[in-house]
Amino acid sequence: DSGVTQTPKHLITATGQRVTLRCSPRSGDLSVYWYQQSLDQGLQFLIQYYNGEERAKGNILERFSAQQFPDLHSELNLSSLELGDSALYFCASTRDKTATDTQYFGPGTRLTVL
Amino acid sequence: DAKTTQPNSMESNEEEPVHLPCNHSTISGTDYIHWYRQLPSQGPEYVIHGLTSNVNNRMASLAIAEDRKSSTLILHRATLRDAAVYYCILSLIQSAGGTSYGKLTFGQGTILTVHP
Repeated sequence: DSGVTQTPKHLITATGQRVTLRCSPRSGDLSVYWYQQSLDQGLQFLIQYYNGEERAKGNILERFSAQQFPDLHSELNLSSLELGDSALYFCASTRDKTATDTQYFGPGTRLTVL
Repeated sequence: DAKTTQPNSMESNEEEPVHLPCNHSTISGTDYIHWYRQLPSQGPEYVIHGLTSNVNNRMASLAIAEDRKSSTLILHRATLRDAAVYYCILSLIQSAGGTSYGKLTFGQGTILTVHP
């Protein structure tokens, strides 16, 4: 158990819909990273937040957005969903904001878009 | 971003050492070398990281070439629980407005199969 929690574990929805994925970092960790893992693309970095502020952006679509709240939990919002958005979404947390810190990953949310 | 190259798959027998290679010929002086692994149906898990010197921890050892263009993750005695996808990653430290941050770029990794 990494100490990072993600909800829900599974999510099934239809094209065009909007969903919210939630991540709670390990106690004391200030930084949250979001990743998408699909069969054809592998594990892709989406976005990083540190203490409520966006710090780094990867291959995140404009239809996707994220935020980190004062209690440090983070939400990833996916809208206008397409079939290709079906994937595993992981969040990870670190104590600090640099990638030299160990990233602790959550168990993931499996999103299926029908 | 500097890229890494790993074999698609490797096999080992239980109780034997495993050497997982990684090439990173375009590594820059400030890139750290990280190894993570992903067990089936789980999120990635940190294994080890280093900059220039060889590193050891309770899970594995990391041997880094003198020119830093390659590295090897060593599992000293493979167990069935070590069967996973192993990712070799370079962490890129970037600066924005004077504050450094980093990101990990995962490749396809090496699928390690361990035979009983």
